[in-house]
Amino acid sequence: GNSVTQMEGPVTLSEEAFLTINCTYTATGYPSLFWYVQYPGEGLQLLLKATKADDKGSNKGFEATYRKETTSFHLEKGSVQVSDSAVYFCALTLISSGSARQLTFGSGTQLTVLP
Amino acid sequence: NAGVTQTPKFQVLKTGQSMTLQCAQDMNHNSMYWYRQDPGMGLRLIYYSASEGTTDKGEVPNGYNVSRLNKREFSLRLESAAPSQTSVYFCASSDAFPGYTFGSGTRLTVV
Repeated sequence: GNSVTQMEGPVTLSEEAFLTINCTYTATGYPSLFWYVQYPGEGLQLLLKATKADDKGSNKGFEATYRKETTSFHLEKGSVQVSDSAVYFCALTLISSGSARQLTFGSGTQLTVLP
Repeated sequence: NAGVTQTPKFQVLKTGQSMTLQCAQDMNHNSMYWYRQDPGMGLRLIYYSASEGTTDKGEVPNGYNVSRLNKREFSLRLESAAPSQTSVYFCASSDAFPGYTFGSGTRLTVV
């Protein structure tokens, strides 16, 4: 079956530090990959996506590159801010029957950025 | 504002009680989903509806039922709540890829 493995948290960084959150996946076929962010008390929001090998998704200073050879999609940011404190989820989807596209999520990584 | 609306936001149930979680979307999406979120386990799919009139089981359907009332609404019912169903429940909808929009969640505690 399909699965997503994220680095365990929590991760605590100082403001302006470099962030990496590791994500690897197992999938039958060629998945599309996502990073979602969940701020306290809110639902998940799409942060970035990549649909094929070597694609780089980027948004709000975050980046992740779809690496088929290592089955990875690591999230990076060069300089984190306090406002980036949230839970980050890596996820994948494969084309399924009909229009429903089920997402498979990793366990989430809690990031806390200290001023 | 366009999006996915879930009600209620919080609920406490006694073991054996029943309740229905409501979800509505106003984006004209065809597909809707119910996920549960538990600490250290990410989100797991309970049920989904690819289109109006269809529903299918996800990864963890036991103890739940769903109804796709119309294109906008997709409800989740717990017939006899158990402490193991204490969780945060998220409804989502999607249409054209990637198109996933999540509601803000329902925090359910079963005592």
